[in-house]
Amino acid sequence: ELKVEQNPLFLSMQEGKNYTIYCNYSTTSDRLYWYRQDPGKSLESLFVLLSNGAVKQEGRLMASLDTKARLSTLHITAAVHDLSATYFCAVERGKRWVEYGNKLVFGAGTILRVKS
Amino acid sequence: DTGVSQDPRHKITKRGQNVTFRCDPISEHNRLYWYRQTLGQGPEFLTYFQNEAQLEKSRLLSDRFSAERPKGSFSTLEIQRTEQGDSAMYLCASSRGPSNQPQHFGDGTRLSIL
Repeated sequence: ELKVEQNPLFLSMQEGKNYTIYCNYSTTSDRLYWYRQDPGKSLESLFVLLSNGAVKQEGRLMASLDTKARLSTLHITAAVHDLSATYFCAVERGKRWVEYGNKLVFGAGTILRVKS
Repeated sequence: DTGVSQDPRHKITKRGQNVTFRCDPISEHNRLYWYRQTLGQGPEFLTYFQNEAQLEKSRLLSDRFSAERPKGSFSTLEIQRTEQGDSAMYLCASSRGPSNQPQHFGDGTRLSIL
């Protein structure tokens, strides 16, 4: 059974600092998603990582995927208050294109608070 | 692209009542998913459809839960004889599948059981 673990579960950061959120998963997959959720809102897609070594960047966020280590990271550079939210990683089972579009297994989420 | 729409946004009901939620996916998306999210947790998969066919159903989904997507467009999720443990946010998502596009989520229906 596919399990996804995130750490830390809570992260309090000072503005301007850097930090990394880690996402480990238990079985083979080469498709991983990062989502952001603001309080009372739904999930917003941030990144889709499709293969080993994939790296995506958007603003102050950068995500990477190491399928051999079954590990993805979400790196935050020079945090600002607007990044405060809950971040989820989600893994899709399957390794071949024909299997894509299946259910996602989510981590528990990392609550990020950026303090001024 | 008007996004995934869910109705109602909030539902409060007494234990033992039946409830039904509706989801309208993004129009060109053929896959539709239901997830459940409780406080402090990530969404948990319940079931998904490709067009009108239900492709997978989680073991979490007891026989009190049923989902349909009769014409391959909107979907309904019904919970019969609700229990306290059913209180959660029910999220619907849709995607163009199979493809490399992410699932797009609606704002959810928050269910509270009194």
